[in-house]
Amino acid sequence: AQSVTQPDIHITVSEGASLELRCNYSYGATPYLFWYVQSPGQGLQLLLKYFSGDTLVQGIKGFEAEFKRSQSSFNLRKPSVHWSDAAEYFCASSGNTGKLIFGQGTTLQVKP
Amino acid sequence: EAQVTQNPRYLITVTGKKLTVTCSQNMNHEYMSWYRQDPGLGLRQIYYSMNVEVTDKGDVPEGYKVSRKEKRNFPLILESPSPNQTSLYFCASKVRGNSNQPQHFGDGTRLSIL
Repeated sequence: AQSVTQPDIHITVSEGASLELRCNYSYGATPYLFWYVQSPGQGLQLLLKYFSGDTLVQGIKGFEAEFKRSQSSFNLRKPSVHWSDAAEYFCASSGNTGKLIFGQGTTLQVKP
Repeated sequence: EAQVTQNPRYLITVTGKKLTVTCSQNMNHEYMSWYRQDPGLGLRQIYYSMNVEVTDKGDVPEGYKVSRKEKRNFPLILESPSPNQTSLYFCASKVRGNSNQPQHFGDGTRLSIL
């Protein structure tokens, strides 16, 4: 069955430090992969998506993610975190039925 | 502006009192879906609709109903709400079910069932 795992429930980084949020997926074929961000009290905003082609994808707000088929991973990265990046981040996958399978989410805290 | 609109944003109600959460999209999308978000579980799909008059169960459909009489609207109905349906609910839409385009989400509806 299709599944998405985010191993880190909570991550704290210092402002200006680099960030990597982990995501592992399980799917028979290459899925469509997404990262969403949810600020407190807000809906979900799409950061980036991967369908095919170049395995390194660029998103909004300076985020990028790399698809690694051999590791079934789609980790999110940012070279320098800002205090405004504090939020909950969700990795999600989708097949061709439209349903999104979400990971459990990772809460990012940014220390000044 | 392209958007998915949910109402109400917040609701506190009591067990057994029927309620409806409305969802409307202005992008002429065929596919619409409802999710609930619970701590530690991420978002889980409740129901989805591939097009008008076509709906199907997601992963957690018990206690919910939906209808899709018009393309733009996809209301979520709780006929007899119970406390375990206290959650944050999101409506989403996308062009078509089998499209690789991402889903657009509403701002969420926080339901508290006492």
